[in-house]
Parts: sequence; C-alpha cells; structure tokens
Amino acid sequence: GESVGLHLPTLSVQEGDNSIINCAYSNSASDYFIWYKQESGKGPQFIIDIRSNMDKRQGQRVTVLLNKTVKHLSLQIAATQPGDSAVYFCAESSGGYNKLIFGAGTRLAVHP
Amino acid sequence: NAGVTQTPKFQVLKTGQSMTLQCAQDMNHEYMSWYRQDPGMGLRLIHYSVGAGITDQGEVPNGYNVSRSTTEDFPLRLLSAAPSQTSVYFCASSYSGSQGPEGGYTFGSGTRLTVV
Repeated sequence: GESVGLHLPTLSVQEGDNSIINCAYSNSASDYFIWYKQESGKGPQFIIDIRSNMDKRQGQRVTVLLNKTVKHLSLQIAATQPGDSAVYFCAESSGGYNKLIFGAGTRLAVHP
Repeated sequence: NAGVTQTPKFQVLKTGQSMTLQCAQDMNHEYMSWYRQDPGMGLRLIHYSVGAGITDQGEVPNGYNVSRSTTEDFPLRLLSAAPSQTSVYFCASSYSGSQGPEGGYTFGSGTRLTVV
C-alpha cells in the first residue's frame, strides 16, 4: 500500500491495554466530529461520530470524548488488539456538515 | 451494494495531460466529496457536492474540476496534470440527514496518481 503517515506521531501500546488518541481542533464553530481509521493501502473507515451537543458517545470498544471548552477530541479504544493498528484521523465540520476537514493523524502501533 | 467505487486504482500521467477520475456510489447519498492524501499528511478537501447539480470548492481546488449531473456519480477532472498533483485521491459520500451527515462518510479505496 501507499506510505500513509510516514512522519505521523505514533502511539505504541501493548495488546490488551486501553489506548487514548487525542486531537485538537481549531475551529470553534465546528459542531460535528468524526474519527476514522485508515489501514495501509485502504480508504478511511468510519469509527464513531459525535455532535457538539454531546460530551461523550460510546460504541463497540470505542468512546469519543468532546471538550468544546479547550477544543479537544479524544478516542478511547478498550482492550486494544493487533487489528487496531492503523492511522487514526479526527475530522471536523461546521455549518452545513458538507465540508469535512481532517486532522494530521496519529499512528497506533499495537505490540503483542 | 458496492458502496463507493473509484476507478482507476492506479494511473501514471505525463505533465500537461488531462484525465478524469471516476467515482460512483450506489447508496443514494446526497453528499459527495473528493480528497487528496499526500504522504505523512491527512486528507485535504478538493471539491464537494451536496446534491445533483450543486458543487463547491474545498481547501485545495486549483487544477481540478468537478460536476454532479446525477446523484450517483461525481467525477474529478485534472485539467493539465502537474507533478504536484501526484497523490492518492479518495472519493467519499454520505447521507445528509436533518442535521447534516449521519454515520460519517463512506470512502472509496482510492486512486493512486503519479504525474511524471
């Protein structure tokens, strides 16, 4: 696959541990946020989304937290598995929700 | 249900050539977008559409044109290819919903373009 995320920050975790990936966004008007997972050679895959009227949303093994005061978004992955190894992107949009702007991404490396 | 289909998967162009990257979705999504992804970077929005007949510019629109004549198709045209347009291109689509996109965007598998 292509070389996605050559120089991205990397989070290394042990299999079974919980992972927390952070994202700072810049637009205070952003009101819809999404986390994506991208494996090498593939397109981004939707993980979970949250609207600005919420602080927390849970999915299967994942939780997204939104702190609008400091413009911070985090993705928590419980019991991290080798299959979770990928690059993770946060994305934000505002107003019409049709312009989704991506952050730079974080590489998650899961070690056995 | 194929989702979002992009063609071709790989393409090599000479500087100055033009071409069209195809994108089709079979989910009846209103929203469609084109992104480019360069090594070590996130995705940057090129153009987007909120429905048939409606398009608008994203963050990096220069050198690209789009049209949306049908709900299903959203082709991206490179007018005169330049080495700076070497990248991986992703097409995405989403439902609009009453408050915007629901469930995020569904992405295609990408087109790797090299301009020499």
